[in-house]
Amino acid sequence: DQQVKQNSPSLSVQEGRISILNCDYTNSMFDYFLWYKKYPAEGPTFLISISSIKDKNEDGRFTVFLNKSAKHLSLHIVPSQPGDSAVYFCAARSSEDDKVIFGPGTSLSVIP
Amino acid sequence: DTEVTQTPKHLVMGMTNKKSLKCEQHMGHRAMYWYKQKAKKPPELMFVYSYEKLSINESVPSRFSPECPNSSLLNLHLHALQPEDSALYLCASSQEVGSLGSNQPQHFGDGTRLSIL
Repeated sequence: DQQVKQNSPSLSVQEGRISILNCDYTNSMFDYFLWYKKYPAEGPTFLISISSIKDKNEDGRFTVFLNKSAKHLSLHIVPSQPGDSAVYFCAARSSEDDKVIFGPGTSLSVIP
Repeated sequence: DTEVTQTPKHLVMGMTNKKSLKCEQHMGHRAMYWYKQKAKKPPELMFVYSYEKLSINESVPSRFSPECPNSSLLNLHLHALQPEDSALYLCASSQEVGSLGSNQPQHFGDGTRLSIL
């Protein structure tokens, strides 16, 4: 039973355009959401996060949107760059425990 | 450069061997984690240490034995592993745990690629 879902295994975007990566969750106890980026042969790198009390958080080219009622979040990358090509993991945690639950990941390819 | 250092980067061992994976962080983080990641799958939590005490064991088989000698170090002792244990083992740390740590990201090492023959 996947508590964090990323229904698109892969995504291709032209350089300079917007990349939108989606994530859905089922556990209403989650109150903090994170996006990680992973290159081959490296560990995941934290990208951006959002608390459940907010609906948007922005950091440079990266913006995360949270729709609590729909249990949905998305990561927007604008403009997309070839160096953004990586696997992106959505993750969620509850303040009640120390578990971070990861989604299956979306492989993003930014085409020059 | 990652602030969480894992050694070795690669390890090949037989099913009867005993080996250890090591993880080190000097960020003063109070929580440390072991994850297992199979190819094309997300990281799966194995263990959580909070203030050097084991706080979560996700029903991991006893052939994996974690140890936290001090606040900066985390080991994973391996014994009698099976071929299906071949995976990338990731260590992570975060500043705090529980409700205090809920809004803090984990910092990951680059992992140890483990192959069981």
